[in-house]
Amino acid sequence: SQTIHQWPATLVQPVGSPLSLECTVEGTSNPNLYWYRQAAGRGLQLLFYSIGIDQISSEVPQNLSASRPQDRQFILSSKKLLLSDSGFYLCAWSTGGFTEAFFGQGTRLTVV
Amino acid sequence: AQSVAQPEDQVNVAEGNPLTVKCTYSVSGNPYLFWYVQYPNRGLQFLLKYITGDNLVKGSYGFEAEFNKSQTSFHLKKPSALVSDSALYFCAVRDMRAGYNFNKFYFGSGTKLNVKP
Repeated sequence: SQTIHQWPATLVQPVGSPLSLECTVEGTSNPNLYWYRQAAGRGLQLLFYSIGIDQISSEVPQNLSASRPQDRQFILSSKKLLLSDSGFYLCAWSTGGFTEAFFGQGTRLTVV
Repeated sequence: AQSVAQPEDQVNVAEGNPLTVKCTYSVSGNPYLFWYVQYPNRGLQFLLKYITGDNLVKGSYGFEAEFNKSQTSFHLKKPSALVSDSALYFCAVRDMRAGYNFNKFYFGSGTKLNVKP
């Protein structure tokens, strides 16, 4: 069966520090991968999505970047964090067609 | 543009009573709609989806949703609420502009369901 791993679960980082959040998927190949951010426990904002290795699309301009160095690995990064980067970050995957998305457990990022 | 709206920030219901969480959609073409649930500090869990066929879709944990094309709605329902159903519920739509092989999902703002004993 397919599983998705996302880590760390919580992270407290100072302003100006770098960021690296990692997400890996097991049990499937060539998944579509997504990074979402959830602010204040409510709506989800799609940040990045990827249809394949090194194929990244950004939904909104921001201080973050994403990379997909391997088929089932998706990384969210920043060179210098801002206070406004705080939030709950969710990684997800899906296949093509009309399948649903499957989410990781999320990373609570607090920038101080 | 593809979008969904959840008009209620919060829904309160007593345990044992029926519950409804509302969702309306705006899409070009056929809608492909989903419901998810989120417990505190956790990822989203898939409940059910409408792709085609019967307007009443049954999903996990006793939830169901009714697709209404004329009202452009996809309301989530449960005949008898449990305290453990208290959570944040999201409606989502698949963006068909992305093509068949790639799913791009847009989510509503979420509705907090409170089920009181």
